[in-house]
Amino acid sequence: GESVGLHLPTLSVQEGDNSIINCAYSNSASDYFIWYKQESGKGPQFIIDIRSNMDKRQGQRVTVLLNKTVKHLSLQIAATQPGDSAVYFCAEKTGGNEKLTFGTGTRLTIIP
Amino acid sequence: GAVVSQHPSRVICKSGTSVKIECRSLDFQATTMFWYRQFPKQSLMLMATSNEGSKATYEQGVEKDKFLINHASLTLSTLTVTSAHPEDSSFYICSATTGQGFADTQYFGPGTRLTVL
Repeated sequence: GESVGLHLPTLSVQEGDNSIINCAYSNSASDYFIWYKQESGKGPQFIIDIRSNMDKRQGQRVTVLLNKTVKHLSLQIAATQPGDSAVYFCAEKTGGNEKLTFGTGTRLTIIP
Repeated sequence: GAVVSQHPSRVICKSGTSVKIECRSLDFQATTMFWYRQFPKQSLMLMATSNEGSKATYEQGVEKDKFLINHASLTLSTLTVTSAHPEDSSFYICSATTGQGFADTQYFGPGTRLTVL
């Protein structure tokens, strides 16, 4: 079936360095993607989104890149801080469907 | 803005009892609410989609008679786990949207940790 998945289940990054979290999706009809951050024992928090008619979108310290050719999505976090330690999920929607499909998640650990 | 709350945050119950979890949108009207379940170290799995004033749409494999969902107003949805068993222990998370189109973001609640003894 269709799925959204991540290449790396865990990632450790030195504080201050940049991090890149990757996500592969298999549904070519997906046209809206979101990155969420989930801290332990909390609900997911919206970070940034991107539509399929774009290939890059920037926020504060975060950038999302979308490569539709290879169905790949990435989240770049610049100048990482200890508070960035969390599990990051990509999620996708298709057309008018309200439902989100979540990827498996990557645990990011920032090393002080 | 776009704050979603859940109550309770934690609940422990005995096997066979029923537990109700509330999900509220605090500063917006949520035409659609979603209920997810998340087991430890796993991703979120959608259980059902709830539209105000209508019956919930359940995902395949989710028992609608066990997980009762009510969305009686634009700011409140409830999930009742009936006759709970230890395998129902999980982290239950709701989300809400305004239903205003293509990129309508889902805002998530803080989750409810259910432990069934």
